[in-house]
Amino acid sequence: AQRVTQPEKLLSVFKGAPVELKCNYSYSGSPELFWYVQYSRQRLQLLLRHISRESIKGFTADLNKGETSFHLKKPFAQEEDSAMYYCAPPHNQGGKLIFGQGTELSVKP
Amino acid sequence: DGGITQSPKYLFRKEGQNVTLSCEQNLNHDAMYWYRQDPGQGLRLIYYSQIVNDFQKGDIAEGYSVSREKKESFPLTVTSAQKNPTAFYLCASSQLRSGVLNQPQHFGDGTRLSIL
Repeated sequence: AQRVTQPEKLLSVFKGAPVELKCNYSYSGSPELFWYVQYSRQRLQLLLRHISRESIKGFTADLNKGETSFHLKKPFAQEEDSAMYYCAPPHNQGGKLIFGQGTELSVKP
Repeated sequence: DGGITQSPKYLFRKEGQNVTLSCEQNLNHDAMYWYRQDPGQGLRLIYYSQIVNDFQKGDIAEGYSVSREKKESFPLTVTSAQKNPTAFYLCASSQLRSGVLNQPQHFGDGTRLSIL
């Protein structure tokens, strides 16, 4: 079965520190992965997708096929980055989207 | 302004009662989804629909039912058979491209369901 794993439920860093939110996947074929973010009291929204190779709000994510990972990184965390982050492939196996468990990022002043 | 509208924002259910959560989208998206969000469990797929008058069960469909009579609407009914319905419910939609579901999803604001 195709799976996405986010091993950390909670990640706490200080403002200005680097942050890396881990995401590992386990399926064959060419994966296409997304990161979604949910800020407090806001709707879940797309943060970035690996195929576009964009940098959104200072975040980047590189697909590493050798390690089957798609970690989300930011060199200097800001307090406004505090949110829930979900890693997800798009639809697979007939349309079912599988989200990771989510990682809560807390950036302390 | 295009988007997904979920209503109500808060909903309370009595024992033995069925309740229906509304989800409407004006994005002209083909596919729509319902998720349940619980603390520490992430997002779990309840039902999804790729086309009008057709839908498929997700991972936790028991105790829920859906319909897709119109492209823009995908209501979710939480039946009395769902023994632990207290959760945050999220509706989403996405476009299909050449029959392949590889587009990002757009989410509503969610409905919080509680038991009285």
